[in-house]
Amino acid sequence: AQKVTQAQTEISVVEKEDVTLDCVYETRDTTYYLFWYKQPPSGELVFLIRRNSFDEQNEISGRYSWNFQKSTSSFNFTITASQVVDSAVYFCALSEDPNTGGFKTIFGAGTRLFVKA
Amino acid sequence: DAGVIQSPRHEVTEMGQEVTLRCKPISGHNSLFWYRQTMMRGLELLIYFNNNVPIDDSGMPEDRFSAKMPNASFSTLKIQPSEPRDSAVYFCASSFGQLNTEAFFGQGTRLTVV
Repeated sequence: AQKVTQAQTEISVVEKEDVTLDCVYETRDTTYYLFWYKQPPSGELVFLIRRNSFDEQNEISGRYSWNFQKSTSSFNFTITASQVVDSAVYFCALSEDPNTGGFKTIFGAGTRLFVKA
Repeated sequence: DAGVIQSPRHEVTEMGQEVTLRCKPISGHNSLFWYRQTMMRGLELLIYFNNNVPIDDSGMPEDRFSAKMPNASFSTLKIQPSEPRDSAVYFCASSFGQLNTEAFFGQGTRLTVV
């Protein structure tokens, strides 16, 4: 069965600090997809990134970067030089091979990030 | 595109009443998902549709919950009768294709059952 663990419930940093949000997943499939979503205080969920299991290249998008390591089943998210606007709940999610696991996307419990000015 | 549109944004109802939540997915998307978010249980997938057909409703908590998708541009989630423990934020999301593409979420309906 698939499972996503975000062990950090809350993180508090001061603006301009770097912060890493951890995500560990479990799956028996060799083909799967990982996602990060952001939920700001306004409540909507915003898609940040999608990565398939065959692409272990790390990705950087502005101040955001993602480190995917299959060996440790982790898909960590780093925000560099954090800003107050980064304050939100961040969700890691896993979706398995649609040929075996259907289209379900399972979300982690989320990590609430507070960035203080 | 206007994105996924949910209505109402807020709903307060008395226990025992019927509640209907509505969702209009993004045009062209062929998968639709209903999620429930609570502090205790986080984000839970209730049901998803592909090409208007319910594929998996194993996340629907009880028979009091039902969902329909009569056409590609509209879905409803109904709770009858509602109970206080149904209080949550209900999200609708849609995506395109069957390759586990990213889902686009609506702004949610905050349901309070008193």
